[in-house]
Amino acid sequence: GAGVSQTPSNKVTEKGKYVELRCDPISGHTALYWYRQSLGQGPEFLIYFQGTGAADDSGLPNDRFFAVRPEGSVSTLKIQRTERGDSAVYLCASSLPAGDWDTGELFFGEGSRLTVL
Amino acid sequence: AQSVTQPDIHITVSEGASLELRCNYSYGATPYLFWYVQSPGQGLQLLLKYFSGDTLVQGIKGFEAEFKRSQSSFNLRKPSVHWSDAAEYFCAVGAVSYSGGSNYKLTFGKGTLLTVNP
Repeated sequence: GAGVSQTPSNKVTEKGKYVELRCDPISGHTALYWYRQSLGQGPEFLIYFQGTGAADDSGLPNDRFFAVRPEGSVSTLKIQRTERGDSAVYLCASSLPAGDWDTGELFFGEGSRLTVL
Repeated sequence: AQSVTQPDIHITVSEGASLELRCNYSYGATPYLFWYVQSPGQGLQLLLKYFSGDTLVQGIKGFEAEFKRSQSSFNLRKPSVHWSDAAEYFCAVGAVSYSGGSNYKLTFGKGTLLTVNP
């Protein structure tokens, strides 16, 4: 597609359940990022992929959060044993190879809004 | 660690009035600075960015921003606001590593919500 696609756009789940959020980046973008935006806050960095590998997962809040990108394109953010505090909008972005801000502009998707009841 | 402060949570202006959104940053060196806009139902869109050179940068949709090193500020301006500018605006700092190790991480402010009155 023309832009970064995220599914689902909305997800409501119960505390303790498992959720998966999907991101389909812009074709040809090798770098992929996940950010989390809580209510009233700016986006916060979670994880960055260059190709298939997670180059930096320092923003993942705890071991309940995990992300994969097995073929270097689509990525899935996985959250186990969800908690009410996980409620947020999860943003995905992609770019040309990162490392140069002049060419590595991030293009963001519309986000997946997760509500944990 | 880098940080970004947007002092104004919510600003209301009348259509046609001028606009200035404030942004202050904290970073050890000269960072990359960005302004993004987020409209309901849309993803974050880059308005403009600055790293070096002319301290007044032009962006899309008639926006400009001025970098002031002495004030650690990067304020966003628009001479005449349109109703379609109503949105949330985020200032962000991009890490700069000359070894290329971290030139990918953005730190965002909490945002300023802009309301435009007719």
